[in-house]
Amino acid sequence: EVQLVESGGGLVKPGGSLRLSCAASGFTFSDAWMTWVRQAPGKGLEWVGRIKRKTDGETTDYAAPVKGRFTMSRDDSKNMLYLQMNSLKSDDTAVYYCTPHNGMVVWGQGTTVTVSS
Amino acid sequence: QTVVTQEPSLTVSPGGTVTLTCTSSTGAVTSGYYPNWFQQKPGQAPRALIYSTSNKHSWTPARFSGSLLGGKAALTLSGVQPEDEADYYCLLYYGGGLLGVFGGGTKLTVL
Repeated sequence: EVQLVESGGGLVKPGGSLRLSCAASGFTFSDAWMTWVRQAPGKGLEWVGRIKRKTDGETTDYAAPVKGRFTMSRDDSKNMLYLQMNSLKSDDTAVYYCTPHNGMVVWGQGTTVTVSS
Repeated sequence: QTVVTQEPSLTVSPGGTVTLTCTSSTGAVTSGYYPNWFQQKPGQAPRALIYSTSNKHSWTPARFSGSLLGGKAALTLSGVQPEDEADYYCLLYYGGGLLGVFGGGTKLTVL
């Protein structure tokens, strides 16, 4: 069964940092480009960023609101995807989902990040 | 900053037909934007419906179809069912597929 499980969310103060994790199973993770998507409370979906597979250089691209503050990485040996979030702002408060770039056919339950003093 | 626009809300009667559209602030939407469509019901994660303009996933009901219509990406529901009441999001890719931008979503009410 294809599965994605996000973790690492929590309450953090403005300016703080947090690292989210996404555990993948049931598919060849190393072949997949992966994407992070977030959804603020009561709001729509927002594309956060994408990381390519190792054979494509593990290149990353980010949405403008997070560029320079967020960093995506992956550990194919562990089937894990990460999102390092620095200089957090209240606008970053959201549920964060990981999903494969190709069609976004699988979604986890998401992990909630709350940025508040 | 690129903006993708959808109708905020639409209402359709059961059995009816409705078309949701997706517009880009950069101009006409073409197949090169690889339009995707997602459905999200309250308290659930999104579910992929359509990729690359008009391609359905194996689980996508036949009543859903994607197309390009007058410079926009479109999602048409024919023979709407009560369970189709949900939020629908389009996703376009820019920069040769490097950057994704979601539309603001359409809240579809079946009434």
